[in-house]
Amino acid sequence: QQPVQSPQAVILREGEDAVINCSSSKALYSVHWYRQKHGEAPVFLMILLKGGEQKGHDKISASFNEKKQQSSLYLTASQLSYSGTYFCGTEKGGSQGNLIFGKGTKLSVKP
Amino acid sequence: DAGVIQSPRHEVTEMGQEVTLRCKPISGHNSLFWYRQTMMRGLELLIYFNNNVPIDDSGMPEDRFSAKMPNASFSTLKIQPSEPRDSAVYFCASSPPRDGRFPYNEQFFGPGTRLTVL
Repeated sequence: QQPVQSPQAVILREGEDAVINCSSSKALYSVHWYRQKHGEAPVFLMILLKGGEQKGHDKISASFNEKKQQSSLYLTASQLSYSGTYFCGTEKGGSQGNLIFGKGTKLSVKP
Repeated sequence: DAGVIQSPRHEVTEMGQEVTLRCKPISGHNSLFWYRQTMMRGLELLIYFNNNVPIDDSGMPEDRFSAKMPNASFSTLKIQPSEPRDSAVYFCASSPPRDGRFPYNEQFFGPGTRLTVL
């Protein structure tokens, strides 16, 4: 039931855009996105809820296709500070934020 | 506000020894999570407490692992006896109850404990 992320890794130049995908084999009620910088703890970015509600982040947006059980994270005009590993998390039943995380997508932004 | 506090930050022990990891969640948060992160398996949820009560411990690998939350401000994860395959970074996270300020179940992670079992 672990969500599947793609790509596993991506290398960008500053200013380029990237898309990270997250798909699940089961029905999704919400998708959570976190970013983890090297040697640090994961940090919450945003959540997308069934029905379209979401909490956004500056220059990082996301979509949630409930029918396809997929979410995509869009990083626009990437900055060096965007480097890190991005995880999507899906709720393991219920609504208490009990998450199963994907294996992550490592994003490297070069000058 | 102080974030989630974990101790120790690093622990090196020998196989067979008991290891206890500690976590202090953010004040006012009512959910607490223990995760284990390795290169091979990624970020795995071990156990989840809500209002100090264990709700889901299906991620606890085996009986060698146990977790407690005696009150709202403290939790422990114990491994006894420890094995080399337990080497990982262990994160504790907490999340607040849903209200106007935090309408979503966002989790706040502590800095982690890097455990090495020799």
